[in-house]
Amino acid sequence: QQQVKQSPQSLIVQKGGISIINCAYENTAFDYFPWYQQFPGKGPALLIAIRPDVSEKKEGRFTISFNKSAKQFSLHIMDSQPGDSATYFCAATQPTGGFKTIFGAGTRLFVKA
Amino acid sequence: DTEVTQTPKHLVMGMTNKKSLKCEQHMGHRAMYWYKQKAKKPPELMFVYSYEKLSINESVPSRFSPECPNSSLLNLHLHALQPEDSALYLCASSHPGYTGELFFGEGSRLTVL
Repeated sequence: QQQVKQSPQSLIVQKGGISIINCAYENTAFDYFPWYQQFPGKGPALLIAIRPDVSEKKEGRFTISFNKSAKQFSLHIMDSQPGDSATYFCAATQPTGGFKTIFGAGTRLFVKA
Repeated sequence: DTEVTQTPKHLVMGMTNKKSLKCEQHMGHRAMYWYKQKAKKPPELMFVYSYEKLSINESVPSRFSPECPNSSLLNLHLHALQPEDSALYLCASSHPGYTGELFFGEGSRLTVL
């Protein structure tokens, strides 16, 4: 019940295309869903996050779509650029329930120039 | 630039050595974390300190010993490690009260020979 399932494992997109990464969760107590971006040799960095009372959040080229009834959320990267090539982790947490963040398995994105 | 600073960036040690990893943050965060990350895997929680007190120990072997000398510093003491302990060790911090956002350092790459 604590798992966050993430797909696909890897993704290759042409420059200018849309990258889509999907995640699903089981625990309805989760109430904060961040996405982290990690470049090789670096630590993860918070990219964008959403709470379940919002169906969509957009920051620049990055959009999170959230479907509370389906317990699914996804990251869309519009106009994907080679500089977006990184590993993306979705995550779920319950800030009022402690300090644990449950990470998805990660998606390795490669944007072809 | 990350505001969580980790040293050293790289460490090679033998199985009988004693070494320490260090982490420092000056964001006023009162929760600090150690994560372990293996290649192509998500970060795995090891320890959490909240207000300088150990809050979570995820059943980590005693050859890993955390220490939080003050609200800005976090250490991880290493002794008698095994080759399978080779990984990227990430320090993170979060706002007082834990909003769900983690701020990661760039990590310390540990190789155990």
